[in-house]
Amino acid sequence: GAVVSQHPSWVICKSGTSVKIECRSLDFQATTMFWYRQFPKQSLMLMATSNEGSKATYEQGVEKDKFLINHASLTLSTLTVTSAHPEDSSFYICSARLLVAVGTEDEKLFFGSGTQLSVL
Amino acid sequence: LAKTTQPISMDSYEGQEVNITCSHNNIATNDYITWYQQFPSQGPRFIIQGYKTKVTNEVASLFIPADRKSSTLSLPRVSLSDTAVYYCLVGDMNTGFQKLVFGTGTRLLVSP
Repeated sequence: GAVVSQHPSWVICKSGTSVKIECRSLDFQATTMFWYRQFPKQSLMLMATSNEGSKATYEQGVEKDKFLINHASLTLSTLTVTSAHPEDSSFYICSARLLVAVGTEDEKLFFGSGTQLSVL
Repeated sequence: LAKTTQPISMDSYEGQEVNITCSHNNIATNDYITWYQQFPSQGPRFIIQGYKTKVTNEVASLFIPADRKSSTLSLPRVSLSDTAVYYCLVGDMNTGFQKLVFGTGTRLLVSP
């Protein structure tokens, strides 16, 4: 199946610093990528939709100035957590949409392996 | 948005068949049903996807009744490595899963 690479797998940073997480589609082009966060024992929460060449669309309650998303190419989207604080500690997951044929069962989402962020 | 409801947890033993049912009463005409598996500290992994009737692949089967208000993921002869959280999602193919919402998922525990 299609591969989505997410880097780094885990990161520890000091409060007030910024952290960048990369999401790459390795063997397909993804015009749309999604970013989620997940707290322990909880489900994934959609944060934003990243569209190549345009501004990201953020879900209600997600601060766009806090979580900067850039989708500069068809294979790369980045999420930057700016001025991170301990409450930003979470598991962040990206996904990329593989479009084989519009409106068919061949359209799927593939997920990265996730990034565990710990802010001290 | 079609909301999904699944059992919070299920227990099984190795070698048994496990059926996890998901309710999606307000599923729309354009919505497809997709199931994902997630292990701790990993991203979800695609299992199976369908629109109606039955779909089968090398790891699972998906049963969808005619009214499409529910679906059942069937895992044949589970093993310890199938212990994971299973998510049922309903998404509009025409909008490219722009609003793919994860529910609570079902935590499956397989014991020896």
